Amino acid sequence: EVQLVESGGSLVQPGGSLKLSCVASGFTFSNYWMDWVRQTPGKSLEWIGEINTDGSKTNYAPSIKDRFTISRDNAKSTLYLQMSNVKSDDTAIYYCTREGAYWGQGTLVTVSS
Amino acid sequence: DVVLTQTPPTLSATIGQSVSISCRSSQSLLHSNGNTYLHWLLQRPGQSPQLLIYLVSRLESGVPNRFSGSGSGTDFTLKISGVEAEDLGVYYCVQGTHAPRTFGGGTKLELK
Repeated sequence: EVQLVESGGSLVQPGGSLKLSCVASGFTFSNYWMDWVRQTPGKSLEWIGEINTDGSKTNYAPSIKDRFTISRDNAKSTLYLQMSNVKSDDTAIYYCTREGAYWGQGTLVTVSS
Repeated sequence: DVVLTQTPPTLSATIGQSVSISCRSSQSLLHSNGNTYLHWLLQRPGQSPQLLIYLVSRLESGVPNRFSGSGSGTDFTLKISGVEAEDLGVYYCVQGTHAPRTFGGGTKLELK
């Protein structure tokens, strides 16, 4: 069974930084591209970025480009999202997904002073 | 970016009723490799999205067979043959054929 477990969400001040993690199990992590997707309260889903299988290629949505960095550690079956210079608009539930099909339970990031 | 337009935005149904949700894409979702990367997700209240249908019509393991998907190119449909109470929530279509991955706006299924 595919399982994705995110962690690291918390309250952070505007301009601050935060690192989210997602531990994968139930499949060969190194064989799949992985995505981060966020969902604001009551809103739809926003793709924010992806990383290829060996971590050498990443793509980002314009809304977070140059502020967020996606990385992965295949030895640990773990996906990361490093968030920097966060803004109030970044308040959301952050999900890691396997190619948009399998999802974790999400982790809440709240940006507020 | 590919725009996925879901209709209707809200669907009211009685238990046992059959319903359909449409997802229309601004571009063909047929990939050059022959696959069509159009999936359907269900997000129940307070939960994360879960996969129902992948590659247009393939039923995810463990998903009841009252769910079915069809379509090609730019027009896709999710059908529920006999709504049950556990089916309530928001349905999303998602495409992975063209970067970036995009989502439909969602269809909320509620009880009439």
